[in-house]
Amino acid sequence: QVQLQESGPGLVKPSQTLSLTCAVSGGSISSGGHSWSWIRQSPGKGLEWIGYIYYTGSTYYNPSLESRVTISVDTSKNQFSLKLGSVTAADTAVYYCARAGTMPQPFDSWGQGTLVTVSS
Amino acid sequence: DIQMTQSPSTLSASVGDRVTITCRASQRISSWLAWYQQRPGQAPKLLIYKASTLETGVPSRFSASGSGTEFTLTISSLHPDDFATYYCQQYSSYYTFGQGTKLEIK
Repeated sequence: QVQLQESGPGLVKPSQTLSLTCAVSGGSISSGGHSWSWIRQSPGKGLEWIGYIYYTGSTYYNPSLESRVTISVDTSKNQFSLKLGSVTAADTAVYYCARAGTMPQPFDSWGQGTLVTVSS
Repeated sequence: DIQMTQSPSTLSASVGDRVTITCRASQRISSWLAWYQQRPGQAPKLLIYKASTLETGVPSRFSASGSGTEFTLTISSLHPDDFATYYCQQYSSYYTFGQGTKLEIK
């Protein structure tokens, strides 16, 4: 059974870049057949999909965040990462990584989530 | 952008009750709809996909239906651990979630 685990700083200053990593165990990102997403949840905006990546490196981003988001994959480490630039307090949220099948598929596995607070 | 609207936002019920949650999409999404359950402090858990298919291991008291723009999730007889927040999600065009329905104990 695949497991996902987010890691990264819990506090980021305004205007800086938020960086998170999702480590995948119990399955290989390189095996294909899945997309790997970042999703966030805040009291103000609910659940919001940020973007996903395939093991090939192909990415798809939420248009509302696309200008600030980069998702990358490291198949040698079986992990993928999120960078969100120019953060403000509105980016404070619990950030989840999740897996789905090749589109269109829902998220069948999630990490436990990590709280990121944007504050000086 | 496809918007998802759930109703009600909060639902008060008792153990053993039958409850229904509704989800409406702003445009047709065929059957590309999922339902998730989220307990406090936990990640969402997939319950239903393709509008009406139960994920493996989900109790049969959960059922769902709909297509196009109107969808429902029904719990036939509430158990104590069903009190949680439920989200619908479309995956016809990227992903968007409903705002959630909090199911609370009456």
